[in-house]
Amino acid sequence: DAMVIQNPRYQVTQFGKPVTLSCSQTLNHNVMYWYQQKSSQAPKLLFHYYDKDFNNEADTPDNFQSRRPNTSFCFLDIRSPGLGDAAMYLCATSRTPGGETEAFFGQGTRLTVV
Amino acid sequence: AQRVTQPEKLLSVFKGAPVELKCNYSYSGSPELFWYVQYSRQRLQLLLRHISRESIKGFTADLNKGETSFHLKKPFAQEEDSAMYYCARGPGQAGTALIFGKGTTLSVSS
Repeated sequence: DAMVIQNPRYQVTQFGKPVTLSCSQTLNHNVMYWYQQKSSQAPKLLFHYYDKDFNNEADTPDNFQSRRPNTSFCFLDIRSPGLGDAAMYLCATSRTPGGETEAFFGQGTRLTVV
Repeated sequence: AQRVTQPEKLLSVFKGAPVELKCNYSYSGSPELFWYVQYSRQRLQLLLRHISRESIKGFTADLNKGETSFHLKKPFAQEEDSAMYYCARGPGQAGTALIFGKGTTLSVSS
């Protein structure tokens, strides 16, 4: 049973056209994360929510925004995608922050920018 | 900067051979260390964590603070172990999320 679901699995968007990626969870976890993973690189944290508190990483571009309307859903909005934003985007959840509890990942959304 | 280093991009072994996937970390304070695995077409998932001191699917990992290492080992590799393995550490006081290494692809052939 999928516990962290990302939609869509593959997304193609035009250069500069806003795009939204979605993530839902059935675990009722407090924390939801968005990671960006480019080819042959480590997953890089963009931001996370601890309940309703939004935490942005210092080096996350302003082009990336996020919304968490309720516990179950979290969205990644890319306002003006550039070619450099093509990547796999991973959503993850955990019961608590700080890494002491297991993080559960979705299958990812592969974003292509044309 | 806090880092997790996995020096090998690819490790190829034959079935039945021992496996060691290397991981070194930089840290401040007491590290929390994990190995995550991603099998083909599946999601990233936790394999094991150092605080549990457990063996999962025959894999073990020992924290060596002197060498700042957390290598993943298995005495006899199986073909189903072929996957991408990521070493990760908790952020400690620096943040709230896992810091990942770049990953090592393990390929086990018969």
